[in-house]
Amino acid sequence: DAGITQSPRHKVTETGTPVTLRCHQTENHRYMYWYRQDPGHGLRLIHYSYGVKDTDKGEVSDGYSVSRSKTEDFLLTLESATSSQTSVYFCAISRGLSYEQYFGPGTRLTVT
Amino acid sequence: SQQGEEDPQALSIQEGENATMNCSYKTSINNLQWYRQNSGRGLVHLILIRSNEREKHSGRLRVTLDTSKKSSSLLITASRAADTASYFCATDTGGTSYGKLTFGQGTILTVHP
Repeated sequence: DAGITQSPRHKVTETGTPVTLRCHQTENHRYMYWYRQDPGHGLRLIHYSYGVKDTDKGEVSDGYSVSRSKTEDFLLTLESATSSQTSVYFCAISRGLSYEQYFGPGTRLTVT
Repeated sequence: SQQGEEDPQALSIQEGENATMNCSYKTSINNLQWYRQNSGRGLVHLILIRSNEREKHSGRLRVTLDTSKKSSSLLITASRAADTASYFCATDTGGTSYGKLTFGQGTILTVHP
């Protein structure tokens, strides 16, 4: 497996609370991505990063923010979690645009 | 509907048989990628095929791309029980979406021993 870890792996939280998910890589890849996976929707891109402090929105970015202060870490924050954000979240890395992506093991988030 | 759509949604075969999954997309692409996901795990990259390529092989996997029909197929030969997984195609449409992948909803493959 590529050197990608996600933490926490599972989390249950209440509506309205802030949540931060962490993605950590040891591959020194420039590009990092956050996806969510839901039944009937496949994987959808939330945000991505093309370098330290360089981020951009994906297809479903509303309600999410990201930060990348170091090459190895990409944080996804739900400022005020809602039940619609219950999902499995995957981080991915890539050494360049139009290259394959390597995925982390995922974080299962439940918002009650 | 999504950029990439897989067909069939589910496929059940016996060990040793070949499995073919198809992916159709709507807009022109820079490349198309296939991924596998075992239950409860992250996605694993299988093959990337660029828009100027027509066929690629990797072990028991064969991917074809027909840009005129906006379609791709993934063939797994001599399938094994361990091939049981969900398979996704993902398209990189380039341009302002360069490097961003759009995934289909996947084909669930079950290989019976």
